[in-house]
Amino acid sequence: QKEVEQNSGPLSVPEGAIASLNCTYSDRGSQSFFWYRQYSGKSPELIMSIYSNGDKEDGRFTAQLNKASQYVSLLIRDSQPSDSATYLCAVNIMGRSGGGADGLTFGKGTHLIIQP
Amino acid sequence: DTAVSQTPKYLVTQMGNDKSIKCEQNLGHDTMYWYKQDSKKFLKIMFSYNNKELIINETVPNRFSPKSPDKAHLNLHINSLELGDSAVYFCASSQGSTGIKGYTFGSGTRLTVV
Repeated sequence: QKEVEQNSGPLSVPEGAIASLNCTYSDRGSQSFFWYRQYSGKSPELIMSIYSNGDKEDGRFTAQLNKASQYVSLLIRDSQPSDSATYLCAVNIMGRSGGGADGLTFGKGTHLIIQP
Repeated sequence: DTAVSQTPKYLVTQMGNDKSIKCEQNLGHDTMYWYKQDSKKFLKIMFSYNNKELIINETVPNRFSPKSPDKAHLNLHINSLELGDSAVYFCASSQGSTGIKGYTFGSGTRLTVV
């Protein structure tokens, strides 16, 4: 069974510090990787997507991908109390259905708390 | 403008009843999905539809049936509801079979079976 693993937390980080969220996946065929943020009672919101090895930066967020180690991470710089949420790592395995649509496989999420 | 909209937002019903949840997207995406988020917040795919064709049908009970009248709509019908069906159900959509630009989620439907 293809899995995505995350530390459930809670991960507590002081305001202004860097929050580091990690994710591993089991299927080497995985091609696309996503980080979603979900506030309590709300729907998942796309934060970052990454497809190639290395780093991808967008504002205060940096996604890192290492396909050899099957590892994805998300760094949040200058953490703000509004960043407190559950962060979901998701993986899209292409071609699973003979070239048809594939859904996302999610990790169970990391609960991040930014302490003012 | 709401990109992916679901109705109803809340649904409380008795065991054994049949219910439907509707989903519509105005993003022009060609693939739509249903996800279930259980009480432990674990989000798992149930179905996906691409160009009105069911592509993935994960191991969900056949009491659940997706129906897509067109590529902008994907409704979820649930027969003979059970207590264990209580969860939040999210509709989502993406462009292309890979969803390379990400998936957009609806606001969710909280189903409570009593």
